[in-house]
Formats: sequence, structure tokens, C-alpha cells
Amino acid sequence: GENVEQHPSTLSVQEGDSAVIKCTYSDSASNYFPWYKQELGKRPQLIIDIRSNVGEKKDQRIAVTLNKTAKHFSLHITETQPEDSAVYFCAAGSQGNLIFGKGTKLSVKP
Amino acid sequence: IAGITQAPTSQILAAGRRMTLRCTQDMRHNAMYWYRQDLGLGLRLIHYSNTAGTTGKGEVPDGYSVSRANTDDFPLTLASAVPSQTSVYFCASSPTPLFGVYNEQFFGPGTRLTVL
Repeated sequence: GENVEQHPSTLSVQEGDSAVIKCTYSDSASNYFPWYKQELGKRPQLIIDIRSNVGEKKDQRIAVTLNKTAKHFSLHITETQPEDSAVYFCAAGSQGNLIFGKGTKLSVKP
Repeated sequence: IAGITQAPTSQILAAGRRMTLRCTQDMRHNAMYWYRQDLGLGLRLIHYSNTAGTTGKGEVPDGYSVSRANTDDFPLTLASAVPSQTSVYFCASSPTPLFGVYNEQFFGPGTRLTVL
């Protein structure tokens, strides 16, 4: 089955700096790669996703890149703000089911 | 109801007791999912249902059962709770995939379950 590894587990950046979170997956059949943000005590919410027919996708300060050959994908957040502080999860899947990474706790220091 | 809801919000349960966690969505999504979230382990899929009347096992199905009698409801049952089932449980739903293209999963607010 699918296995998703996510790094780093914690990340601390200064406000205004960029943050990068990386994930690798094992199943070449996976074709959907979402990223979720979870604030403390809240539900996970989708922030961006990418499909296997696309190499990069951007939405304002957030971008995701996908390398199918290497089976890895990354989340890039530019100009970080304190409200970006949260736990971020990557996921990979096909046939509708997702396997999640263990999460990255991002702290943005003012 | 707007979106996806779960009940109860939290529950403390004695080991060996039976418990059903409820999940209801009003978005007419065909696919529904149950996850458990434990610190340091992320979200792990327990069971899923691609459409009413069908269910499937996820990564960690042991000790749990589900049913999908209709589109809106997807209850999760712990037949005989054990302390290792202490966790936060999230239900999620997703629109029917088109031509193999899958979509966002929308999560409910979660149920915090403690088994003593």
C-alpha cells in the first residue's frame, strides 16, 4: 500500500521568511496530492492540492510542486505570517482514499 | 445542518463499553471516511464508503465497524472499547470522483474520545 513520509516534523521560521515542507510517497499509482492545514483544536482544512498531470500549482503565497519520477512533492509558503502557524499535513492517494503524512508543526515567529 | 457534523463533541468511555460516533453531511457527497488522529501519527484511515450501501477497510480497521444505510450518515461503532482507541476521530466526505479525478475531502469538527 501507499506510504507517505513527511519532513521536517517541526519547522520554525521568522516572519517574512519562506517555509518548505517535503513529502515522499511510495505508490506510483497515486494521482492526487492535497495539503491540509490544521490549527490547534480545529479540523484539517485543504489549502492547496495538485494532481499527477501537473508539476506545479500556485495560490497567492502558497505553492506546491510535484516530481512524479522521484515520487516527491513539496509545499512552499512565502512571506510567512504568524497566522500561518499550524500543523500541515501532506497526503497522497488514488481511488479516493488518502494516506497522510505525520504532519509538520510550523511556527512563525513575529 | 451546513456541511458535515459529528456527535458527540467529546466522550469519556469505560473500557468494554459499546460506542457509536455519529457523522452526518448535507452536501450529497457520495464518499465518506473515518480517520483517527493521534499525536505524532497524523491522520489514519479507519473505514471508508464510496457510496451508500458499500464500505471498505482503511489502514487501521480493527476494533471498528461502519455502516452506510444512506448518503448522509456514516456512523462508526466501537463494539468493545479499549484504551488504545483513545483518540480524536474525524469524519470526512468528498464528492464523487469524475473520470478517476478525486476531489477535496471535507472534514467534520471531530470527536475526542477517551477510553478508561
